[in-house]
Amino acid sequence: QQQVKQSPQSLIVQKGGISIINCAYENTAFDYFPWYQQFPGKGPALLIAIRPDVSEKKEGRFTISFNKSAKQFSLHIMDSQPGDSATYFCAARIVDTDKLIFGTGTRLQVFP
Amino acid sequence: ETGVTQTPRHLVMGMTNKKSLKCEQHLGHNAMYWYKQSAKKPLELMFVYSLEERVENNSVPSRFSPECPNSSHLFLHLHTLQPEDSALYLCASSPVASSGTFYEQYFGPGTRLTVT
Repeated sequence: QQQVKQSPQSLIVQKGGISIINCAYENTAFDYFPWYQQFPGKGPALLIAIRPDVSEKKEGRFTISFNKSAKQFSLHIMDSQPGDSATYFCAARIVDTDKLIFGTGTRLQVFP
Repeated sequence: ETGVTQTPRHLVMGMTNKKSLKCEQHLGHNAMYWYKQSAKKPLELMFVYSLEERVENNSVPSRFSPECPNSSHLFLHLHTLQPEDSALYLCASSPVASSGTFYEQYFGPGTRLTVT
């Protein structure tokens, strides 16, 4: 069964700190690994996505690190801000399809 | 109005009721999706429509019935639901997938469904 495992379930970080969320997958038939951010009362929105042939991708304060051999990828949020407080989902796209497999989500709280 | 809209935002229904959820996208996309979001569970893909044809039905019970009359509208018809069907139902849209290109799925705000 295709799965994406995400940890931790919740994360509390002080303002200015680094938030790290980890994901691991069990099937190699994935070609993109996006991260989505969801605020209360809103639907998820794409934050950043990476291909498995790239080891790192950075957009502003958000960085995805990808380890293909370990089948793991992670999201790093540098200089975390209270406005980053949201639920973050990792996902994996089944090759050449519209189908995304999501992780269980991480609720991030950033305190001033 | 822009983006993906969903109505109603909240719905309470009894187990014998029939109701419908509506989704509309104003992004010119030709793929649309229904997801179920329950607490502490991954988003569950329920249905995918590509170019108005259903291409994915993820073993969803028949008490959920999707309809896609055109590329801008998607419905989820509900009947004889169970309490465990209470969840947030999210609609999303995107361009149709192509090899080597990742298209973002744009999500609506969801319909919070409570089955009593």
